[in-house]
Amino acid sequence: GAGVSQSPSNKVTEKGKDVELRCDPISGHTALYWYRQSLGQGLEFLIYFQGNSAPDKSGLPSDRFSAERTGGSVSTLTIQRTQQEDSAVYLCASSLVKSYEQYFGPGTRLTVT
Amino acid sequence: KNEVEQSPQNLTAQEGEFITINCSYSVGISALHWLQQHPGGGIVSLFMLSSGKKKHGRLIATINIQEKHSSLHITASHPRDSAVYICAVHFGNEKLTFGTGTRLTIIP
Repeated sequence: GAGVSQSPSNKVTEKGKDVELRCDPISGHTALYWYRQSLGQGLEFLIYFQGNSAPDKSGLPSDRFSAERTGGSVSTLTIQRTQQEDSAVYLCASSLVKSYEQYFGPGTRLTVT
Repeated sequence: KNEVEQSPQNLTAQEGEFITINCSYSVGISALHWLQQHPGGGIVSLFMLSSGKKKHGRLIATINIQEKHSSLHITASHPRDSAVYICAVHFGNEKLTFGTGTRLTIIP
């Protein structure tokens, strides 16, 4: 079966523009996570969806960041009014309910110029 | 504060050497992952463990819950093992907290 997919793989945008990053989790995985890896930095948690529960947004760095998950499957991470410090690789992962085993997507490399 | 520390940050070794990467964490955890990230590539989960030891091929991961410490070992290292190895833990929930990674370079 297919793994976690993300699109686009690369995105270059101008400062101030909005961007949308997409994640398709593994079919049947109810948990979905977004992480960010800034240049020279480690990975950091952004947001977590589990089934129909309210998402855990505790890692979102500012109110310019938001995410939604439609129909319990595909997720979109939106960054409004992008800033240069938003440049990073954004990774998505999914897992089965009540499982700690996470499967990572290939990531989207975002560059804000 | 929930923290994860890895050492060393960088490691260069000759092909064939035995490699050890260490991970320490600040408080009790539910589970720990070892992840591998190749340059320009995605992340692959190597191991998930909550106790004891796991082995897969030339890779071995151990965890000591009492000492809050885990190690990743690579036997008979090969240039294709060159990558960044990342320790990540669950501090009692599904979110992962990551170490800063260890950049491993194996020289032929």
